[in-house]
Amino acid sequence: DGGITQSPKYLFRKEGQNVTLSCEQNLNHDAMYWYRQDPGQGLRLIYYSQIVNDFQKGDIAEGYSVSREKKESFPLTVTSAQKNPTAFYLCASSSGLPSEQYFGPGTRLTVT
Amino acid sequence: QQQVKQSPQSLIVQKGGISIINCAYENTAFDYFPWYQQFPGKGPALLIAIRPDVSEKKEGRFTISFNKSAKQFSLHIMDSQPGDSATYFCAASKRFSGGGADGLTFGKGTHLIIQP
Repeated sequence: DGGITQSPKYLFRKEGQNVTLSCEQNLNHDAMYWYRQDPGQGLRLIYYSQIVNDFQKGDIAEGYSVSREKKESFPLTVTSAQKNPTAFYLCASSSGLPSEQYFGPGTRLTVT
Repeated sequence: QQQVKQSPQSLIVQKGGISIINCAYENTAFDYFPWYQQFPGKGPALLIAIRPDVSEKKEGRFTISFNKSAKQFSLHIMDSQPGDSATYFCAASKRFSGGGADGLTFGKGTHLIIQP
């Protein structure tokens, strides 16, 4: 089955700890994205990557970091510097042209 | 500054009726306008998308109308069914000068309920 995998579905962490969210795709897509969704809000772009070993900050990158060492993988680290990390995190990918983005099932992160 | 404004926030439609959700954008560099459907606890699913060189696109019961001069676009769901009950998001993006697309800018969503 082709698609985007995010793991785990639910993640719980204590305040002050860094946590890494996994995103893997087997669609052979070049571009990958991370979004954050809060209740009553649309999705907001955290980071995106058009090609391996390159990525750009989105609208709310502060307190987050990413890497893109492989085409299939785009992990997101939520650092202790992120002031309000509890949210639903969504990973997406696209072939670039056209720019349709396809989303994974999401990871719900709770930090207490 | 919210670049994509979506309305209404919530909408209740009777089964068989037409659901209409509206979006307005500010950035004239946007050149791709998708709509996503999201069920609780799931990732958004691409529903339909339009580019600014056409004024309307129809796929089954779903139609996007696009007004470039007004910088507005809307989603129409014909013959709405209870299974259409979900949250709908409009979005927009622009291309890099190199040809790739950057991330999507989303509206805040519309919670649609179709009453049987």
